[in-house]
Amino acid sequence: DIQMTQSPSTLSASVGDRVTITCRASQSISSWLAWYQQKPGKAPKLLIYKASSLESGVPSRFSGSGSGTEFTLTISSLQPDDFATYYCQQYNSYPDTFGQGTKVEIK
Amino acid sequence: EVQLVESGGGLVQPGGSLRLSCAASGFTFSSYWMSWVRQAPGKGLEWVANIKQDGSEKYYVDSVKGRFTISRDNAKNSLYLQMNSLRAEDTAVYYCARGDDYGDLSPFDYWGQGTLVTVSS
Repeated sequence: DIQMTQSPSTLSASVGDRVTITCRASQSISSWLAWYQQKPGKAPKLLIYKASSLESGVPSRFSGSGSGTEFTLTISSLQPDDFATYYCQQYNSYPDTFGQGTKVEIK
Repeated sequence: EVQLVESGGGLVQPGGSLRLSCAASGFTFSSYWMSWVRQAPGKGLEWVANIKQDGSEKYYVDSVKGRFTISRDNAKNSLYLQMNSLRAEDTAVYYCARGDDYGDLSPFDYWGQGTLVTVSS
């Protein structure tokens, strides 16, 4: 199975900060990577697919980059609604696997 | 509006069985791969199984192979997960999620609200 490792596990930031989350795959997954946002008690929400494509309706302050084994999710200016947990997912090969999550907290 | 609504969760004893359902609306259900994804309390996400549009292909994570069966009824716009020989480690919120309309491996663009399965004596 492909292991997905996110860093950091927790991130403390303020409104307006630029935030970057990293996701590393244990082997190359080309660009078959998605990012999700999850708030407590809610289902995950797709933000980014194919490493850098913005899902319809997602604010442009979210962006994704990378290919192969290293990927990043960037929030250009953190908003109050962005405090949540973020997960990466590889869909290059079975089984789909997710990172362990990065919780973005208020500083 | 795309909607996915899960049901069927609850408390079950170890070794018991449960059948989850997911009612889909707002899109052509028969055109999409569908998946189940679970999340243990306070933990991350784990893909469980998926099924092709016509039900002819199904894939499972190793930990549920031989115990869980995914199925669908396109006439009823419904997805199912039959869970047998349940273990404590199967305790989780189970989400129904929509995949792609052409490939088996894909991101999930719509999710249900989840149904909680608790395996405990």
